Amino acid sequence: DTEVTQTPKHLVMGMTNKKSLKCEQHMGHRAMYWYKQKAKKPPELMFVYSYEKLSINESVPSRFSPECPNSSLLNLHLHALQPEDSALYLCASRAPGRDYEQYFGPGTRLTVT
Amino acid sequence: EDKVVQSPLSLVVHEGDTVTLNCSYEVTNFRSLLWYKQEKKAPTFLFMLTSSGIEKKSGRLSSILDKKELFSILNITATQTGDSAIYLCAVPRGAGNMLTFGGGTRLMVKP
Repeated sequence: DTEVTQTPKHLVMGMTNKKSLKCEQHMGHRAMYWYKQKAKKPPELMFVYSYEKLSINESVPSRFSPECPNSSLLNLHLHALQPEDSALYLCASRAPGRDYEQYFGPGTRLTVT
Repeated sequence: EDKVVQSPLSLVVHEGDTVTLNCSYEVTNFRSLLWYKQEKKAPTFLFMLTSSGIEKKSGRLSSILDKKELFSILNITATQTGDSAIYLCAVPRGAGNMLTFGGGTRLMVKP
């Protein structure tokens, strides 16, 4: 298994909803990342988990709450989002010893109405 | 602050043409430069460059790094419509190897 999977592929939610994005990899990678990508812009880092611990939070608003239940799973819990949070949310993972290669999932396209 | 700048912003060519995409960078503690191809969704890894002057090659794609002049180029020869994508270059920063991406070059290859 050499891929990062993300569910759902698409999500439409209202500003009062609570939803979660899920990311999974079975490559033994111990670093996992959440990125946000707006249209025609490059991905922007949100969070980094290293060995299931949050190591980097790039000043992301608290309405985004990451969680790493185990070394294969990464969740992003969403609550009280704003329409400007609509974007493609990408998960990535990195192999130990392959310091710089990040493998990306297909993303979840989120629309906040 | 680390900076990665790509040019051109967009490029339209015809099948069979050769293209050169540029990426310049200003980073502290440079370790590597990465190239990704992004079609509809996930960026897919193409190359990692760490040493100056050594060309990395994969089929019709090749890339080289110049650490003195702080840039990298990605060449695509005999382009095909399937090469149409956004090409992103990125440099890792920090202990978590967070990626700083350039703005991307949008390549369109016409039949």
